Amino acid sequence: ETGVTQTPRHLVMGMTNKKSLKCEQHLGHNAMYWYKQSAKKPLELMFVYNFKEQTENNSVPSRFSPECPNSSHLFLHLHTLQPEDSALYLCASSPETNPSTDTQYFGPGTRLTVL
Amino acid sequence: AQSVTQLGSHVSVSEGALVLLRCNYSSSVPPYLFWYVQYPNQGLQLLPKYTSAATLVKGINGFEAEFKKSETSFHLTKPSAHMSDAAEYFCAVRFQGGKLIFGQGTELSVKP
Repeated sequence: ETGVTQTPRHLVMGMTNKKSLKCEQHLGHNAMYWYKQSAKKPLELMFVYNFKEQTENNSVPSRFSPECPNSSHLFLHLHTLQPEDSALYLCASSPETNPSTDTQYFGPGTRLTVL
Repeated sequence: AQSVTQLGSHVSVSEGALVLLRCNYSSSVPPYLFWYVQYPNQGLQLLPKYTSAATLVKGINGFEAEFKKSETSFHLTKPSAHMSDAAEYFCAVRFQGGKLIFGQGTELSVKP
């Protein structure tokens, strides 16, 4: 039990579909993150939310749209994706984004395949 | 430039043998260092974490990591490998005021 859950675990979608990934953390943390893990590449940080406010967007294409309605939930809305967007999308949370205390706890990920 | 490097994308050991996974960083200021493990079809789990309180830190499943400032390294070790240790291991570094940067990962396989 990691305390961070993600749904769905697997998703297959066409390029014209709209879908959403959900992340929920039960750790009482205030910061949440989306990462992309592609084969043979390091994890790429996509978005950071701290106390529901987006504090980082690492030049992510607009076809990825995050939403953080509260400190426990984080969504990633997907639309008109490309096949190269196929990857494992990992959600993480941490107490806050202070470097001196930050330890990130990860969910199991959503394996996304774009056809 | 600040970076993190894991030497060897694939390491293979026999069951019962020593596990050594290497991680080096480049920075003039010691950062915060982490090791994560990822089992197949799962997310990342934290192994040891270095925050300057101790140079040798213990993690889960018998792993430990040693921070060596002179070598800018944070290698992960385990005295005796078990079949269940087969997974991908990521070294991650958080530099002062910066984001968490991950290495490219090392896949560990354990032979019976």
